[in-house]
Amino acid sequence: TQLLEQSPQFLSIQEGENLTVYCNSSSVFSSLQWYRQEPGEGPVLLVTVVTGGEVKKLKRLTFQFGDARKDSSLHITAAQTGDTGLYLCAGARAGGTSYGKLTFGQGTILTVHP
Amino acid sequence: GAVVSQHPSWVICKSGTSVKIECRSLDFQATTMFWYRQFPKQSLMLMATSNEGSKATYEQGVEKDKFLINHASLTLSTLTVTSAHPEDSSFYICSARRLAGYSYEQYFGPGTRLTVT
Repeated sequence: TQLLEQSPQFLSIQEGENLTVYCNSSSVFSSLQWYRQEPGEGPVLLVTVVTGGEVKKLKRLTFQFGDARKDSSLHITAAQTGDTGLYLCAGARAGGTSYGKLTFGQGTILTVHP
Repeated sequence: GAVVSQHPSWVICKSGTSVKIECRSLDFQATTMFWYRQFPKQSLMLMATSNEGSKATYEQGVEKDKFLINHASLTLSTLTVTSAHPEDSSFYICSARRLAGYSYEQYFGPGTRLTVT
């Protein structure tokens, strides 16, 4: 079973602060996706990283895929109240009968206070 | 981005009845869709993989006779919760898989809140 450990599970910060969310696994993923979900809605895809060592930026969000494609991080600079939500990392399984399925981390509930 | 819809967005049903939830990919064809279940403030739990034109594959512990999945077209998958019980109350979310470059991406529907009374 491929597990994806996401941390921290809860994060409560003030507006303007920076934060980092981590996803770690002992398994290799063919790609990794980050989602943001608001209460009562489905997850919205933020980014997909595919290449080991890849860094992608989306405004104040920076996503990194580890060199060995086993871990990833999401860094938010100068957090805003609108960043509040549940952040999920999900790794795409590399092959076999589970090809294409996503393994989800436990999620990080981010609350940004004004 | 790709758009996936779900219907209904919420449903209340009585114990013992069946409920059907539809998942549609609106602007792309999806040979594979997935059904998830989510509990409050928790991550998504994969229930089954829906394959167009063939039987769904279920994750361990998910009763296939209780959660019937049909993927009759490239844009529609349905999940039917049969003989629903209060413990089936949950947030059900579908996703549709699309090839993006050399990797697959999953796009999620808005979810269906099921309450069984």
